[in-house]
Amino acid sequence: DAKTTQPNSMESNEEEPVHLPCNHSTISGTDYIHWYRQLPSQGPEYVIHGLTSNVNNRMASLAIAEDRKSSTLILHRATLRDAAVYYCILRAGGTSYGKLTFGQGTILTVHP
Amino acid sequence: EAQVTQNPRYLITVTGKKLTVTCSQNMNHEYMSWYRQDPGLGLRQIYYSMNVEVTDKGDVPEGYKVSRKEKRNFPLILESPSPNQTSLYFCASSPTGVSYEQYFGPGTRLTVT
Repeated sequence: DAKTTQPNSMESNEEEPVHLPCNHSTISGTDYIHWYRQLPSQGPEYVIHGLTSNVNNRMASLAIAEDRKSSTLILHRATLRDAAVYYCILRAGGTSYGKLTFGQGTILTVHP
Repeated sequence: EAQVTQNPRYLITVTGKKLTVTCSQNMNHEYMSWYRQDPGLGLRQIYYSMNVEVTDKGDVPEGYKVSRKEKRNFPLILESPSPNQTSLYFCASSPTGVSYEQYFGPGTRLTVT
């Protein structure tokens, strides 16, 4: 299974942009890049996903490198509610999409 | 409201006493999955199901059983729980396909003494 590597922790100030990196050098052509986050005492929640092109939604943006070996989740203006563990995972295409491996994730601390 | 529900939310039990954690979703999703979360180890997939009567192992299936007799339900069975199965368990569901998001339940905190 393709794996991802993320920094253990990152810090940001409120209302500043945050760039959360993820390396996935063994990604295959049909793997989708998904990001989830887990707020304290809650289950993970979906943030964004993409295949090749950069993606935007109301929560965040996802920038995918041209060779797809890395990606960056961008929170445009961090708030205190964005403090969470952020997970970058690969979801395989074809019939293998069911098996998922979450890494350790990045603990994001947002300072007022 | 679209949701994934788990019961019980908290459970303390003793070694060897069979238990079942239920998971139900009301979104007509084909895919369902169970995870456990432990400090320092992150989320690890136990079992998943692509559809009714179709289940497969995740990364840590030992000591667990699942069944998928109905689309909405995916119970997790611990036939002989041991202390190393003390953990926080999450159920999730999604539509079929690689590009869909998973919806997670609120979690079940299990303690086995």
